[in-house]
Amino acid sequence: GAGVSQSPSNKVTEKGKDVELRCDPISGHTALYWYRQSLGQGLEFLIYFQGNSAPDKSGLPSDRFSAERTGGSVSTLTIQRTQQEDSAVYLCASSLSSGNYNEQFFGPGTRLTVL
Amino acid sequence: GNSVTQMEGPVTLSEEAFLTINCTYTATGYPSLFWYVQYPGEGLQLLLKATKADDKGSNKGFEATYRKETTSFHLEKGSVQVSDSAVYFCALSPNRDDKIIFGKGTRLHILP
Repeated sequence: GAGVSQSPSNKVTEKGKDVELRCDPISGHTALYWYRQSLGQGLEFLIYFQGNSAPDKSGLPSDRFSAERTGGSVSTLTIQRTQQEDSAVYLCASSLSSGNYNEQFFGPGTRLTVL
Repeated sequence: GNSVTQMEGPVTLSEEAFLTINCTYTATGYPSLFWYVQYPGEGLQLLLKATKADDKGSNKGFEATYRKETTSFHLEKGSVQVSDSAVYFCALSPNRDDKIIFGKGTRLHILP
C-alpha cells in the first residue's frame, strides 16, 4: 500500500516568509510525528499527534512553529517568519497507534531552504 | 534526560569485512531501542529493534543486542556488502513515550 507522503518535496523561500509543509500518513495510522533533520542538530523530534490532538509539542523550537491535524489524517506544519536556521529536511512519520513498541514509518521529507 | 551517542563516521570498510557501529544510550526506565537506516536518495527506514533487555534485533544480516548493564545497542554485521553503504541511526523511544530520540548518525562506505 501507499506509504507516508509529504509535499512539497523541496521548498525554497525567502527569510521572513511563512511556509506550510504537508504530511499524508498511512491510511489507518492514528499517530503522526514530525521530525527535523539538519546538519548541525541531526534528527530532532518536533511534535506528535494522536488523532487530532497533540500530547507532546516539546520539540517545537519556537512559537513560530505550529502544526495541526484534521480528520485524524493529514497534518500541516507551519513555520511563520522563516529564518535561515530553519533550513532543514522536515520528516513526517506515522504509526498504527501510539506507544514506543509501534514502528514509525517515515516519509521522504520536505527539504526547506531559507535564503 | 534521554540521549543516544553513536560513533562518528564516516566508516569505510572493504566488502566482506566485519562491521561494528557502537551505540550507547541514557534513559530512565525501559526504553525501546532501534537502528534506522537511510540509503542514498531514500527515506529513513527501520532496520531492527529491541524492546527489552537482552533482546536481540536482527534483519538483513545485521544484529544488535539490548544490553541494559552497559546501556548499549551496538550494530554488527559479519560480512558487509557494497549495498550496505548508507547512514545508520541508533535511536530510542522512552518508556511510555512516543517520540524517537536519534543519535547523530554514522555514514558507512563499503568499497568493492
